[in-house]
Amino acid sequence: KNQVEQSPQSLIILEGKNCTLQCNYTVSPFSNLRWYKQDTGRGPVSLTIMTFSENTKSNGRYTATLDADTKQSSLHITASQLSDSASYICVVSAGGYQKVTFGTGTKLQVIP
Amino acid sequence: KAGVTQTPRYLIKTRGQQVTLSCSPISGHRSVSWYQQTPGQGLQFLFEYFSETQRNKGNFPGRFSGRQFSNSRSEMNVSTLELGDSALYLCASSLVSGVGSGGEAFFGQGTRLTVV
Repeated sequence: KNQVEQSPQSLIILEGKNCTLQCNYTVSPFSNLRWYKQDTGRGPVSLTIMTFSENTKSNGRYTATLDADTKQSSLHITASQLSDSASYICVVSAGGYQKVTFGTGTKLQVIP
Repeated sequence: KAGVTQTPRYLIKTRGQQVTLSCSPISGHRSVSWYQQTPGQGLQFLFEYFSETQRNKGNFPGRFSGRQFSNSRSEMNVSTLELGDSALYLCASSLVSGVGSGGEAFFGQGTRLTVV
């Protein structure tokens, strides 16, 4: 069964600090992995997409890594800001016709 | 460029009733997919439509159905509502392919459905 597990479930960090969110998946065959940011009361917004051959991809202060061998991805946030407070969702797509599996997300709170 | 528009934003229904939610994709986008989001289950894929045809379907009962019109607008219908259907329903539009593919997908703000 395809599964995506995210950790931690929730996280509180001080403004300006860095943090790393984890995503482990068992989706097979792997097609791509996306990280989404979802602000409270809004729809998710895509941060990065990674395919099998990509190890690292950055989007401003967000850097995603992918290890296809261990089936792990991480999202690193540098110099956190209050506006980073949101849920971060990892989404993995399988081959064939694009079945998607969502992680349950990590809720990040950045405090002053 | 207008984003994805979902209506209504909030809805309260009684058990046993039916409900129809609407999604207008970004102009030019042909793919619309629907998702259910609950605190316990997270985001779950319902179905995807492309050019008026259902292209992919998640593991939801037949009470959940949808359709897409020639202008790419989509509707989702839930019949015989149950308390467990209370959730945030999100739709996402893509130029060609849905969330699962490499194509960029843009989400609406969702419809918050409460079943009492």
